[in-house]
Amino acid sequence: EAQVTQNPRYLITVTGKKLTVTCSQNMNHEYMSWYRQDPGLGLRQIYYSMNVEVTDKGDVPEGYKVSRKEKRNFPLILESPSPNQTSLYFCASSLKFQQGASEQYFGPGTRLTVT
Amino acid sequence: AQSVTQPDIHITVSEGASLELRCNYSYGATPYLFWYVQSPGQGLQLLLKYFSGDTLVQGIKGFEAEFKRSQSSFNLRKPSVHWSDAAEYFCAVGAGNNNDMRFGAGTRLTVKP
Repeated sequence: EAQVTQNPRYLITVTGKKLTVTCSQNMNHEYMSWYRQDPGLGLRQIYYSMNVEVTDKGDVPEGYKVSRKEKRNFPLILESPSPNQTSLYFCASSLKFQQGASEQYFGPGTRLTVT
Repeated sequence: AQSVTQPDIHITVSEGASLELRCNYSYGATPYLFWYVQSPGQGLQLLLKYFSGDTLVQGIKGFEAEFKRSQSSFNLRKPSVHWSDAAEYFCAVGAGNNNDMRFGAGTRLTVKP
């Protein structure tokens, strides 16, 4: 089954304790992206990757890191989480440049709480 | 850069009634438009998309949307709502590559029995 998986689905942590949220897709997609969803703000892009070893900042990259060492994986790293990073996080993937803008496939989400 | 406005934060309709969710976009060229649905506890699922051609597009689950360039709108419609349609709906606009994708703030749909 074609899918994007994220782990963990729920995470409660404390300020300053490094964490990683994993994302994996099995569709051989070149493009992957991380979003955060906050009430009233919709989805905002954190980082994206056009292919292996190619990453770039989205609209809200502060406090986050990513890496793309393999095509299927795109982990999101919070080196020193803060309470304002409490949010619902989505990973997404898509084929690269299909008629200009491609349908994105989303993971189930990771709800992160930083206390 | 492009932007999306969903004027309605929350809409309540009765089961069996018709539905229209509004979406307005701002972009100088022809946009790539999407509607996604997010059921509780789930990720986003694509309902339909418009890239070019016929301005009335059909999607999954009985949804359709109409692109109106003169009004910069891409409203989502369904003739008869089912209780399972209760969810949050997001309009999105792309501008040629995915790093220029913008999502609206979402409209939460409640369906009354």
